[in-house]
Order: sequence, then structure tokens, then C-alpha cells
Amino acid sequence: NAGVTQTPKFRILKIGQSMTLQCTQDMNHNYMYWYRQDPGMGLKLIYYSVGAGITDKGEVPNGYNVSRSTTEDFPLRLELAAPSQTSVYFCARSLSGMSGRSDGELFFGEGSRLTVL
Amino acid sequence: LAKTTQPISMDSYEGQEVNITCSHNNIATNDYITWYQQFPSQGPRFIIQGYKTKVTNEVASLFIPADRKSSTLSLPRVSLSDTAVYYCPGGGNKLTFGTGTQLKVEL
Repeated sequence: NAGVTQTPKFRILKIGQSMTLQCTQDMNHNYMYWYRQDPGMGLKLIYYSVGAGITDKGEVPNGYNVSRSTTEDFPLRLELAAPSQTSVYFCARSLSGMSGRSDGELFFGEGSRLTVL
Repeated sequence: LAKTTQPISMDSYEGQEVNITCSHNNIATNDYITWYQQFPSQGPRFIIQGYKTKVTNEVASLFIPADRKSSTLSLPRVSLSDTAVYYCPGGGNKLTFGTGTQLKVEL
């Protein structure tokens, strides 16, 4: 799992329900990311974090919230699930960002497949 | 966000060399260039990275011209198992992946 553990692996939600996707890393990396991937499409950045207590929006943050209280954990919260949030969600870690550093490669978890009905 | 542009798909045959080019028109001065590979139902996997000129590892080579406005991933002698989606994300610390290039390798 590249040192990134995502739970749950599969989940079915009803419209309007809330849930949290968990992501934990054991490599003490500062950077963590959440992406979503719709069927047959590329990855879209939802939120990312450059360290504990610091988060920032990506390309598609609407409908999601994140927190980063510790270096290890980066949960993604869906408050009011909608069918448009049906997707596979990937969490990733990185020692550093890609700006000015040669060690910024991302290591991805196995993904969490979410279906909203 | 500094986005990249790459072909949607490419076809090849086993044993051939495949070159996938990515456009990095808005790349920042300090950004490194990375390439990832993704198989179905898996997360992307890092392949190679570079800043300029040429980098080679056991999997691929990466060519970056002096102006760094593009990069070319070179896969030598591809096999069926190289069928995957290849990404060249942009955006520095705020990595954006785009749709990638679907490489299909046939016998």
C-alpha cells in the first residue's frame, strides 16, 4: 500500500448521508493529497496539505472538507453525499512538494470506491 | 494551476520503443517534472523524474529540453504489461494530473 492506508475500500451511501474517508501514512511525510477519479477519467485534486494544521483547496473542493491534526492522518469528509461524488478516491503522501526538490514523488494508497445512490 | 498537455492515447506493438511527449507550457522555474503509470483499479505509481536534460532508470528514460517546455517519456521495448495510463502532472506542489495518455500495447 506504499505506506498509505485508506479505509474503507468500498462504501455505498444514500443521497444526503455523510461519511469520512480515512487516510493514514506511516512515513512521517509532510505532504498529503486527496484525489478523485471518475470512471475512464484522470485524477482531480480535491485538497492537499503541506503539514499538520495546514490544508489548501485543489481543483474540485466543493462538497468536501479535510483536516490535518497530525502528520499521519488526513481524513476527507463528505457532508451531504450526492450522486456526482460517486468516484474512486485516492490518498497520497510525499516527502516534499515538487517545487525545488527532487524527492517530491507521490506514493498512492489503494483507493476507496464510493457509490452514492 | 500549471496544467500539462499530452496525447489522449497511443498504440504500439511489443518490442517497440514508445515515446510519449508532454507539454509543460507554464512550468515554474523550480518545478521538477515527473511521470506516473496507472493500471486499472490501482493508484498511480511513480516512474521517473527530472529537472533538465536526460534521466534514465531501470524502467524508462526522460528527455527534457533546455527550455523545459516539454518532456518525453521513453519506454524501451514495451511489452503487453506496459499497457496503462501514463501521466505527466503539473502544478508544482499542487500536482494536477489531467487525463493522461492511454498506452495500448498489442502483440
